[in-house]
Amino acid sequence: ELKVEQNPLFLSMQEGKNYTIYCNYSTTSDRLYWYRQDPGKSLESLFVLLSNGAVKQEGRLMASLDTKARLSTLHITAAVHDLSATYFCAVDVGGEKLTFGTGTRLTIIP
Amino acid sequence: DTAVSQTPKYLVTQMGNDKSIKCEQNLGHDTMYWYKQDSKKFLKIMFSYNNKELIINETVPNRFSPKSPDKAHLNLHINSLELGDSAVYFCASSAPAVSSEKLFFGSGTQLSVL
Repeated sequence: ELKVEQNPLFLSMQEGKNYTIYCNYSTTSDRLYWYRQDPGKSLESLFVLLSNGAVKQEGRLMASLDTKARLSTLHITAAVHDLSATYFCAVDVGGEKLTFGTGTRLTIIP
Repeated sequence: DTAVSQTPKYLVTQMGNDKSIKCEQNLGHDTMYWYKQDSKKFLKIMFSYNNKELIINETVPNRFSPKSPDKAHLNLHINSLELGDSAVYFCASSAPAVSSEKLFFGSGTQLSVL
């Protein structure tokens, strides 16, 4: 059974700092997605990574995928309060479904 | 216009009752899903329909029955509700291949079983 683990589960960081969230998965896949969820809200798609070595950037967030290591990272640069949310990675191994990671709850402290 | 809409947003009910959650998408997508998010925020797929046909049925109690009258709608009916059913249920849709398209999520239905 596919396992998708995120590290860390909880992260408090100061504004202006950089940090990385890690997403490890247990089965071969070259398709990975990142989502953001604000408290009490729905999930918003951030990035779609569809091949080994894929890198996507949007504002202060950058996501990458290493399919050989079965690892994706979400890097936050110079964090701002608006980035406080829960971030999920999700892996596609075919069969029309995504398996979600455990989520990382990020809190940005002024 | 809301792309994936589900109703109700909140549902509070007693144990043993039967309830339904409705979902509609206006994106023209072929595939729709139900996901369950528990109190620890863990998301797990329950069902998936493609053009009204059930294609994914994870290990979900028989009390949960999805129904898709057309490809724009996927409803979830729950019989004999139990305390453990309390969660947030998300409807989602995607274009033909999840691999190349994002999942679009509804706003969620928070179900509380008392």
